[in-house]
Amino acid sequence: GAVVSQHPSRVICKSGTSVKIECRSLDFQATTMFWYRQFPKQSLMLMATSNEGSKATYEQGVEKDKFLINHASLTLSTLTVTSAHPEDSSFYICSAPSGFTDTQYFGPGTRLTVL
Amino acid sequence: SQQGEEDPQALSIQEGENATMNCSYKTSINNLQWYRQNSGRGLVHLILIRSNEREKHSGRLRVTLDTSKKSSSLLITASRAADTASYFCATPPGGTSYGKLTFGQGTILTVHP
Repeated sequence: GAVVSQHPSRVICKSGTSVKIECRSLDFQATTMFWYRQFPKQSLMLMATSNEGSKATYEQGVEKDKFLINHASLTLSTLTVTSAHPEDSSFYICSAPSGFTDTQYFGPGTRLTVL
Repeated sequence: SQQGEEDPQALSIQEGENATMNCSYKTSINNLQWYRQNSGRGLVHLILIRSNEREKHSGRLRVTLDTSKKSSSLLITASRAADTASYFCATPPGGTSYGKLTFGQGTILTVHP
């Protein structure tokens, strides 16, 4: 099946720094990717839709200046958490649809801890 | 916002028993999907059921969909310790950007060997 990778798998940073998370579709192209956030023992919350060649679409309540998304190519989307604070600590997961189906392929997630 | 509720929130069973998880949703849907998440990992797609289907099987999985009640159930038969995970239902908003999913709260399943 289709594979989506994320890098890094976990990152620990100091408050105030910026962190970049990469999401790659390894064996297929994805003009759209999705970024989710998940707090411990909770469900996934959609943050934004990453669109290749155009601006990302953010969900209500998500600060676009805080969570910068760049869809650099048909196989790569990046999420940059700018000026990270402890409340940004979370599990970030990306996904990509493969083909013209509603099925999503998810990355393994990135655990961000901000000290 | 979350599309629906799942129940139970947690389920603990013995190996060999069946596990049933329920999901309710609020808006009309084109399809409903079930995903599995092992602790600290990404999600794996299990099964998709379309709005014109009532039941679907895949191996030890059986999914039902009742659009009149806006609910779905996932049955795992003859459970194994390896089935221990969180299970989420998810729906794409009907008629909008395809692929975007709204997830239920999830059921944490623990299967004891």
